[in-house]
Amino acid sequence: AQTVTQSQPEMSVQEAETVTLSCTYDTSESDYYLFWYKQPPSRQMILVIRQEAYKQQNATENRFSVNFQKAAKSFSLKISDSQLGDAAMYFCAYRRAGGADGLTFGKGTHLIIQP
Amino acid sequence: NAGVMQNPRHLVRRRGQEARLRCSPMKGHSHVYWYRQLPEEGLKFMVYLQKENIIDESGMPKERFSAEFPKEGPSILRIQQVVRGDSAAYFCASSQQGAIDTQYFGPGTRLTVL
Repeated sequence: AQTVTQSQPEMSVQEAETVTLSCTYDTSESDYYLFWYKQPPSRQMILVIRQEAYKQQNATENRFSVNFQKAAKSFSLKISDSQLGDAAMYFCAYRRAGGADGLTFGKGTHLIIQP
Repeated sequence: NAGVMQNPRHLVRRRGQEARLRCSPMKGHSHVYWYRQLPEEGLKFMVYLQKENIIDESGMPKERFSAEFPKEGPSILRIQQVVRGDSAAYFCASSQQGAIDTQYFGPGTRLTVL
């Protein structure tokens, strides 16, 4: 079974600084997808970024980028120029390609932005 | 384009009652997923449905829980004879194509069992 581990229950960063959230996963599959979702206090799950395992290039969405290390099974999220609105729970998620199953989530990292 | 809709947003039930949670996917999406989030936890997959078909229910408890996605109308997650341990946030997600497609989430239904 696949597992997703987020080893940082909580992270804190000063506004405008850069922060990196860690995620590792375990799978025997070679083709899969990885995601970062954001859950603000409203509890709405918002997609931040998505990475296909077969793509070597790291995904980027504005201030959000990932460092995908397939051999190490690592998928970290970097947030540049942190803003107060970035404060939220961040969940890393995995899904195997071609499967009929749902996403496997980590337990989340609570990100605090210090003004 | 409206997002994924869930209702009610909050539901309170007494032990032994039934809970019905509804999910309307995004327009053009025919794949629906249900997840449960316990306090201080990540989301746990429960069931994956397409119109009139259950594709994968490997995460669904065997007793008291059922899900459907009829040809017309929203997807329904039904919990019979609720117990306190069923208190959680239940999220629905939808996608356009299924396995290769990104899932978009609704706002969730917070179920409280008294």
